[in-house]
Amino acid sequence: AQKITQTQPGMFVQEKEAVTLDCTYDTSDQSYGLFWYKQPSSGEMIFLIYQGSYDEQNATEGRYSLNFQKARKSANLVISASQLGDSAMYFCAMRGGNQAGTALIFGKGTTLSVSS
Amino acid sequence: ETGVTQTPRHLVMGMTNKKSLKCEQHLGHNAMYWYKQSAKKPLELMFVYSLEERVENNSVPSRFSPECPNSSHLFLHLHTLQPEDSALYLCASSQDGTVNYGYTFGSGTRLTVV
Repeated sequence: AQKITQTQPGMFVQEKEAVTLDCTYDTSDQSYGLFWYKQPSSGEMIFLIYQGSYDEQNATEGRYSLNFQKARKSANLVISASQLGDSAMYFCAMRGGNQAGTALIFGKGTTLSVSS
Repeated sequence: ETGVTQTPRHLVMGMTNKKSLKCEQHLGHNAMYWYKQSAKKPLELMFVYSLEERVENNSVPSRFSPECPNSSHLFLHLHTLQPEDSALYLCASSQDGTVNYGYTFGSGTRLTVV
């Protein structure tokens, strides 16, 4: 069975500091994708970054980078230079297998609070 | 119009009411999903539609009834709900059968059952 684990219910960081949000996963699929989403208090889910299981380089999107360690089955999100607008819930998700109907599974999320 | 649109944004309904949530995507995706997000709980997958066929129904009570008339539209029909059904309901779309394709989500419907 596939599983995503986010062990940090809440994280606190000051503006301009970097922060790492942890994510570990479990799957027997050889091909899978890992995703991070941001959910502000408004409720919408915003896609941040993607990492494929065969990608050798860590993904980066602006201030977001994904620290992918395949052997350890971890896919941590690193936010550099935090901003007040980064305060939100962050979800790690995985999609495994290429068969029809394969859905994203999500972790429980981490609430990030950025202070000035 | 682009993206995934959900209506209504907010809904308050009594336990004896019947209402429907609507989701529409203009991205050319072939799969659509309903998720439930209760306070302080992880997202729960409710239904998956691929090429307009329901491929997953995650033990959802029959008071929730999905409908996918075409690849662009998805409905969630609600009847005789319970207060514990109050939650944020999120619709998403994607391309099915490929792991490197994430979801595009709608803004969600905040449902309150009174």
